Amino acid sequence: NAGVTQTPKFRVLKTGQSMTLLCAQDMNHEYMYWYRQDPGMGLRLIHYSVGEGTTAKGEVPDGYNVSRLKKQNFLLGLESAAPSQTSVYFCASNHFGRNTEAFFGQGTRLTVV
Amino acid sequence: GNSVTQMEGPVTLSEEAFLTINCTYTATGYPSLFWYVQYPGEGLQLLLKATKADDKGSNKGFEATYRKETTSFHLEKGSVQVSDSAVYFCALISPGTGNQFYFGTGTSLTVIP
Repeated sequence: NAGVTQTPKFRVLKTGQSMTLLCAQDMNHEYMYWYRQDPGMGLRLIHYSVGEGTTAKGEVPDGYNVSRLKKQNFLLGLESAAPSQTSVYFCASNHFGRNTEAFFGQGTRLTVV
Repeated sequence: GNSVTQMEGPVTLSEEAFLTINCTYTATGYPSLFWYVQYPGEGLQLLLKATKADDKGSNKGFEATYRKETTSFHLEKGSVQVSDSAVYFCALISPGTGNQFYFGTGTSLTVIP
């Protein structure tokens, strides 16, 4: 009963370094999302995917790229990390439909120094 | 467009006090409404939801009623416990906007013994 799993849970990067955050879900959900959570700003959508091989921009996509090569996985990449990308990142997934809840991962705390 | 506005925190209450966290929304179409809870160091979990006007969602002693006439979905609990200390997020899904969730900024609740 894993649900949504994010790796890693913590990471410290130097400015300019790159990294990939992995999200995996085992509920056969069509939709997957990446959010960032910052104090006083709630959750802001970075990118999302409506199915394997598709991605779309959310509210704050700049500086991030994503890929969904398999239905169960959604990757978030930072090509050149900046201190402004210091945040807690959450992955979520759900089935299509207005009544369906989103299931969240435990989060990745990223610090860029 | 779609947006969620919830009362600013933080909120501090004594155990057994009455809780209200206000949430209002704007939406295109007929949204579904949700309350999520985030305990320290964890991801978001669904607390309750309502999918049509006058529906009441309830869980763990928390309740919220979908009020279309006032575009509100206020969260209430009659007697809070220390274990209710968390951040609470109001959210909506609206048809015509894909499957995207729109979140409020979150309200931090601390319950003191």
